[in-house]
Amino acid sequence: NAGVTQTPKFQVLKTGQSMTLQCAQDMNHNSMYWYRQDPGMGLRLIYYSASEGTTDKGEVPNGYNVSRLNKREFSLRLESAAPSQTSVYFCASSAGLAGGLEQFFGPGTRLTVL
Amino acid sequence: GDSVTQMEGPVTLSEEAFLTINCTYTATGYPSLFWYVQYPGEGLQLLLKATKADDKGSNKGFEATYRKETTSFHLEKGSVQVSDSAVYFCALTHNTNAGKSTFGDGTTLTVKP
Repeated sequence: NAGVTQTPKFQVLKTGQSMTLQCAQDMNHNSMYWYRQDPGMGLRLIYYSASEGTTDKGEVPNGYNVSRLNKREFSLRLESAAPSQTSVYFCASSAGLAGGLEQFFGPGTRLTVL
Repeated sequence: GDSVTQMEGPVTLSEEAFLTINCTYTATGYPSLFWYVQYPGEGLQLLLKATKADDKGSNKGFEATYRKETTSFHLEKGSVQVSDSAVYFCALTHNTNAGKSTFGDGTTLTVKP
């Protein structure tokens, strides 16, 4: 049981390049989330998916897009990376109301945009 | 909107000292409250939780009580160890299927031998 997995672990991009961060969970959770973590700012929600087939904007969605490919996978895409998107990105999942609401986090992707 | 305020860090303690990390929240309704811990280079993991007023969450010697009258969920441990050095996040989650959470900014704890 791997929990929540993320790829890649590290990535360096040049301004304007695009990339997709991958996330998968094997706990049969309904809800999935993408956060970014910046020093002194806690975690900020980028996008979330309450269930397969639905996605919604979080607190800081600009510059990002997401796809809930199936119940297991939730990807985050940067179409044209900017230095302001240098951050650590975490994917998380939750069983939702029926399962206790706690979130399970992946190990993170450390992204640097030059 | 919702918000979570944690005491500012960093916090440095000697081993076996008593720990308190304050957390207060602003929210409508009756959210569930959580403490998560993040060790260096890792993602967050659940430390403890409380789902209704006056509930006490506990785990690994840490405790926190859901106080609705003071909108607080302070984290305490009677005797910290070097291995407790980490960043601690307080969070609230509304009781909906989407389960979105609001996190505090985190408090860095360093325990010295």
